[in-house]
Amino acid sequence: GNSVTQMEGPVTLSEEAFLTINCTYTATGYPSLFWYVQYPGEGLQLLLKATKADDKGSNKGFEATYRKETTSFHLEKGSVQVSDSAVYFCALRGSNYKLTFGKGTLLTVNP
Amino acid sequence: SAVISQKPSRDICQRGTSLTIQCQVDSQVTMMFWYRQQPGQSLTLIATANQGSEATYESGFVIDKFPISRPNLTFSTLTVSNMSPEDSSIYLCSIGGGPLGGYTFGSGTRLTVV
Repeated sequence: GNSVTQMEGPVTLSEEAFLTINCTYTATGYPSLFWYVQYPGEGLQLLLKATKADDKGSNKGFEATYRKETTSFHLEKGSVQVSDSAVYFCALRGSNYKLTFGKGTLLTVNP
Repeated sequence: SAVISQKPSRDICQRGTSLTIQCQVDSQVTMMFWYRQQPGQSLTLIATANQGSEATYESGFVIDKFPISRPNLTFSTLTVSNMSPEDSSIYLCSIGGGPLGGYTFGSGTRLTVV
């Protein structure tokens, strides 16, 4: 079956630091890949997505590139802000249109 | 994109009782999904609810415990039945899943069973 493995947290960074959260997946066929963010006390929001190999999703300074050869979709941001503190979930959608989530990574950004 | 209104946002319930969670969408959608997020954990799909058919449950979830209704293309309910403290979680509904689009989530229902 499909699975998503993402970097264990928590991750603690200082403001303006570089962020990488690793995500790798196992899936049959050609999944679509997503990053979702959950701010404290809120629901999930779609951060970015990529639907085919070599696509780069980007939003709010975050980027992730769909790498089929390494089955990865790592999330990056060049300069994090305190307001980026949240839980980040990597997810894939398989051929059955169901989402499979990673376990989530808690990011805390200190001023 | 579509907007989902989910309620209640939170509730504290006695064990043995049931709680019904509602999701209202501001447009017609074919597929709706219900997820559970246990404390400190990721999201687990409970079931897929399509209008006009029985919900399809994932392994480990059964209709007697989590009955779902989908009376039309804009509304769905999930009931958590005969609750125990182990049911304390955040429950979320979701729509989407088209060929290119992402999924939209409701704001979640934080359930505590005492």
